[in-house]
Amino acid sequence: EEQLVESGGGLEQPGRHLRLSCAASTFNFEDYAMHWVRQIPGKGLEWVCGISWNSVTIEYADSVKGRFTISRDNAKNFLYLQMNSLRAEDTAMYYCVKGYTVTTGGFDIWGRGTMVTVSS
Amino acid sequence: QSVLTQPPSASGTPGQRLTISCSGSSSNIGGNIVHWYQQLPGTAPKLFIFSDNQRPSGVPDRFSGSKSGTSASLAISGLHSEDEADYYCASWDDSLTGWVFGGGTKVTVL
Repeated sequence: EEQLVESGGGLEQPGRHLRLSCAASTFNFEDYAMHWVRQIPGKGLEWVCGISWNSVTIEYADSVKGRFTISRDNAKNFLYLQMNSLRAEDTAMYYCVKGYTVTTGGFDIWGRGTMVTVSS
Repeated sequence: QSVLTQPPSASGTPGQRLTISCSGSSSNIGGNIVHWYQQLPGTAPKLFIFSDNQRPSGVPDRFSGSKSGTSASLAISGLHSEDEADYYCASWDDSLTGWVFGGGTKVTVL
């Protein structure tokens, strides 16, 4: 069964914005921190950001700080990533990932990912 | 350049023992837990070892994790063809206040 399903990726121009969504199911979404991890095709993994169960603790990678915003809606079991001021280097597969807290715990559930391409 | 350092590739014959290293610093591996992920071609990563040396259910016991100081290792005792994949180490970094990954090690079974 699909536990995390991402959507919202696509082709966008530099400087524009995209909003990614992640629908969660089959686990108690409201109890866990959630993260976004990205991967340029053929390259390694890069953690993007994470949010605690109650949205009190939020951390970002330096590469996206000030441009991306992570949020969640526990009533709807959704995680979001607002991506502003997009750059070519943001081109990657974006994975929605379940953690434990923002700073601890392995990423034990991954979505299939949604591809974001930033190009003019 | 990744904060955690892994060899880009490793290979062995079926049945052989293989070890993948992951080198960090006091702000990440030296003070925090290490997790390992396996990524098969064309699929999302999967948690393979958590909390330095714990295996999730379903991960064969030929896989083991260890940590000493600022380095960690993933060992495969008795390599199988289905172990061909990319393996990544990860840890929280207190200085960067973020999760850091190794660059990944591509395991090939000859």
